[in-house]
Amino acid sequence: GQQLNQSPQSMFIQEGEDVSMNCTSSSIFNTWLWYKQDPGEGPVLLIALYKAGELTSNGRLTAQFGITRKDSFLNISASIPSDVGIYFCAGQTDSWGKLQFGAGTQVVVTP
Amino acid sequence: DADVTQTPRNRITKTGKRIMLECSQTKGHDRMYWYRQDPGLGLRLIYYSFDVKDINKGEISDGYSVSRQAQAKFSLSLESAIPNQTALYFCATSDLRQGKAFFGQGTRLTVV
Repeated sequence: GQQLNQSPQSMFIQEGEDVSMNCTSSSIFNTWLWYKQDPGEGPVLLIALYKAGELTSNGRLTAQFGITRKDSFLNISASIPSDVGIYFCAGQTDSWGKLQFGAGTQVVVTP
Repeated sequence: DADVTQTPRNRITKTGKRIMLECSQTKGHDRMYWYRQDPGLGLRLIYYSFDVKDINKGEISDGYSVSRQAQAKFSLSLESAIPNQTALYFCATSDLRQGKAFFGQGTRLTVV
């Protein structure tokens, strides 16, 4: 079954606010990935993390690979309407392992 | 053109029918996956293949089968469709070195 716990499940925020979500695991991962899914589309890769403590940005998005290698965080700064969607974390325990996905965080942005 | 292409994009089928969903990729990746998405349940892995001769069951493989016809092609079959297989299905590929997965646009399947 799923080993990744992603929270929160959903967020309703106002335009301009910052957003934070996280994933935790009982297993150590060597790769953390963050995806965004727009309605009716497939998930699209946002950020990839490969080292404990790594902090990586992609525009207004910033993600961090936790020091314990069992968690990761995604922050969205100054949210805009097009940030609406479902955000997924995914982790891989080793190069030979398959990706495991969190259940997703639904983000709704109101004007 | 999309790197990962799924056909069909939408399909309505009757209970008991056999149906095949197809996936092709131009990324040159060895690894291919089939996921199912239901509201609130995220992405659940049905089957995955790490190369042409390798097929592995995921967490929800019952009622499904797959075929890896070539490095670029991975198809998912529902042998006898049932209504609770109504869902959004995604194919994905990934490379060994970086582990990044790339998804197709999905197939919305409705079983009536």
